[in-house]
Amino acid sequence: GENVEQHPSTLSVQEGDSAVIKCTYSDSASNYFPWYKQELGKRPQLIIDIRSNVGEKKDQRIAVTLNKTAKHFSLHITETQPEDSAVYFCAATIPGSNYQLIWGAGTKLIIKP
Amino acid sequence: DTGVSQDPRHKITKRGQNVTFRCDPISEHNRLYWYRQTLGQGPEFLTYFQNEAQLEKSRLLSDRFSAERPKGSFSTLEIQRTEQGDSAMYLCASRGGDEQYFGPGTRLTVT
Repeated sequence: GENVEQHPSTLSVQEGDSAVIKCTYSDSASNYFPWYKQELGKRPQLIIDIRSNVGEKKDQRIAVTLNKTAKHFSLHITETQPEDSAVYFCAATIPGSNYQLIWGAGTKLIIKP
Repeated sequence: DTGVSQDPRHKITKRGQNVTFRCDPISEHNRLYWYRQTLGQGPEFLTYFQNEAQLEKSRLLSDRFSAERPKGSFSTLEIQRTEQGDSAMYLCASRGGDEQYFGPGTRLTVT
């Protein structure tokens, strides 16, 4: 079945630097890839998503890239700020399901002042 | 508030008791998901409704768990004979287009 691997599990960057989180998926038929941000004790919040017919999408300081051949997608955050500190999850749809998502294990992003 | 809401936000129960959680999705969304999340893990899919029909159910969902969405609006998740392993955050999400929007969750603690 579909599997999503996410790396790294923890990422510590200096404020103002860029952060990159990477995910790979196993089923080439997956067609939708959201990224969620979850602060401690709060709900997951959708921050950006990408569909399989697009290679890159950008929203201000956040961008996502998708390489369908390699079955790999990444989240890029530029000019990191303290409020970017959170756990970030990638996910991919399970083909043939009703947009059921399989999730990565999460990346704890720490922004050092 | 036009977002997804869940009630209660916290529930402490003794092992063996039954509990029921409620989710109110975004009003125009006809698709609703339940997830369970434990500390340090991503959400784990439990079940999916389209309108009032329960179309998908995780193989991990034991027969102690049941969910309903009787009028295609709010949904309830019931856990019977709770066990300590049921302690987790139970999240509800609703979907209109592709995106799933989550509620604040119900944190269940089974003592």
